[in-house]
Amino acid sequence: KQEVTQIPAALSVPEGENLVLNCSFTDSAIYNLQWFRQDPGKGLTSLLLIQSSQREQTSGRLNASLDKSSGRSTLYIAASQPGDSATYLCAVSKAAGNKLTFGGGTRVLVKP
Amino acid sequence: SAVISQKPSRDICQRGTSLTIQCQVDSQVTMMFWYRQQPGQSLTLIATANQGSEATYESGFVIDKFPISRPNLTFSTLTVSNMSPEDSSIYLCSAERGGADTQYFGPGTRLTVL
Repeated sequence: KQEVTQIPAALSVPEGENLVLNCSFTDSAIYNLQWFRQDPGKGLTSLLLIQSSQREQTSGRLNASLDKSSGRSTLYIAASQPGDSATYLCAVSKAAGNKLTFGGGTRVLVKP
Repeated sequence: SAVISQKPSRDICQRGTSLTIQCQVDSQVTMMFWYRQQPGQSLTLIATANQGSEATYESGFVIDKFPISRPNLTFSTLTVSNMSPEDSSIYLCSAERGGADTQYFGPGTRLTVL
């Protein structure tokens, strides 16, 4: 059974600092990995999707890497801003059109 | 991308009653899913909503408690039956068009059971 872990559970940084969020998964036979953002009381916004054959994806200040063999992904957020404060979730899928298995999330607070 | 709406956005219900949550996607999708997010927790899949056939439920979730319908490729409903306070959660609908597509999420329905 796939298990996804996110460390740390919470993170507080001053504005401008780079953020590093970690995600690990126990079964390396994944189809893709997604990073989501969730604001309090809201739904999920997809940030980045990495296919199992890819090593990384970038979008603006966000960069996500994937090391499938070691079961790890890292989300980097450069030059953090207070608006980046949210919970970040990673999730893996075993096959196309398959369910997502989520990690517990990392709650991020960026202080002005 | 796909835009997903859910109704209601929130509700407060009495113990023993049932609530039906609607999920509408703005385009045809292959897969639709229902997740539950209990307070302070991450998301757990309840079931996959299959178009034209019975939903596929995850371990720990049963059809009598969470009946699901999916009459077409853009719409699904989840009913939370005979509710108890333990059912207080956010319920989220998601959809995927298949292939290498991302999974899109609705805004969620915040349910409180008294």
